[in-house]
Order: sequence, then C-alpha cells, then structure tokens
Amino acid sequence: GDSVTQMEGPVTLSEEAFLTINCTYTATGYPSLFWYVQYPGEGLQLLLKATKADDKGSNKGFEATYRKETTSFHLEKGSVQVSDSAVYFCALSDQNSGYALNFGKGTSLLVTP
Amino acid sequence: GAGVSQSPSNKVTEKGKDVELRCDPISGHTALYWYRQSLGQGLEFLIYFQGNSAPDKSGLPSDRFSAERTGGSVSTLTIQRTQQEDSAVYLCASSLGAYSNQPQHFGDGTRLSIL
Repeated sequence: GDSVTQMEGPVTLSEEAFLTINCTYTATGYPSLFWYVQYPGEGLQLLLKATKADDKGSNKGFEATYRKETTSFHLEKGSVQVSDSAVYFCALSDQNSGYALNFGKGTSLLVTP
Repeated sequence: GAGVSQSPSNKVTEKGKDVELRCDPISGHTALYWYRQSLGQGLEFLIYFQGNSAPDKSGLPSDRFSAERTGGSVSTLTIQRTQQEDSAVYLCASSLGAYSNQPQHFGDGTRLSIL
C-alpha cells in the first residue's frame, strides 16, 4: 500500500539556518503530496501542497517540489525563525482512498535564537 | 467563519466504558475524515465519509470502533469497551468533497485517556 517516510527528528537549528526535512513516498497511483505543520498547542494546518510531478508548493518561505523520479517531496526553507519551531508532517493522498491523508511519522523542529 | 469543531476536547474514562466523540464539520463540506494521533503510531487514518456514506472502513482498528454521520453534517466516532491502547488524540477533518482533492481542515481534536 501507499506509505510516507520522513526523516526522524528532533532537528535543532539556529535561527537563520537552512532547513531541509526529507520525505519520500511509495504509491501505486498518482498521489497528491502535502506538508502539514503542528505548532505547539495547536491543531494541524496545511503548509503547502503539490498535486502533480514537478509542481512546487510554497508558503511562508517554505518550499517543496514533487519529484516523481526520486519519489520525494523534501521540505526546505532558506532561513528559519524561532517561530518555525513545530512538528512537520509529510503526507500523500489519492483518489482511490477518497483523498484520505496518509501521514509520515512527523519531524520535530526546534529553532534556537 | 467557524472551523471544524470537536467535542469533548478532553475525555478521561475507565477501561471497559464506551465513549462517543463528536465532530461538527465546516458548513458545506461534504467530506469528513477521522484520524488518530498517538505517540507510538503517529497519525493514522481511521475512516472517511462522503455525505453520509463511508465507502472504506478498513482503517478502523477493531470492531469496537464505529462511526456514523447523519444529515451530511455531524459525525460521531464511538469506541466500545475502551482499552488503554485507545488512548490518543482523535482528529476530525472536513473538506469540500472526497473526490475533488480539496484541502482538509482539521479540528483541535479530542484527547482521550483510558485509565
């Protein structure tokens, strides 16, 4: 079945550092790919998405490109802030499952001043 | 406007009791999803509804779990004879439609603790 694998955390970075969180997927069809974020004490929020190969999703300075050849959707940000500290989830969905989200385990990010 | 509303926000109950969790989706959203978030298992999909219909119930962990949706709106997730491994945060999300790949909007969840 479909699955998502993302790098384990926690990831600790200094403010203004470059961020990469790796995500790879396995899917039989043509899934849509997502990054969700969960800030401390808050609910899950959609950060960005891409629905087909070579699409780039972007939001709040974060970017991820849907790479079909490497089955990857790595999350990047050029300069992280303390307020980016959160848990980040990579996810996929496809039509066959009514677009239910299949999540990775999550990566905790801590940005220090 | 109002987001996805879940109640109760916290529930503590004794092992063996039944619990009912409620989800009120965003008005006009025909698709509704239940997920479970626990330390050991991460975020797991449980079941989804398109309208009042649940096409795939295979994500429910056991036959102690059931869910229904009436009037294309409110949904309840029922866990019978609760066990300690049922302790988790139960999340509900809704979207404009299960077959249109619209973004899912999540509620704040119900934190369930089984003593």
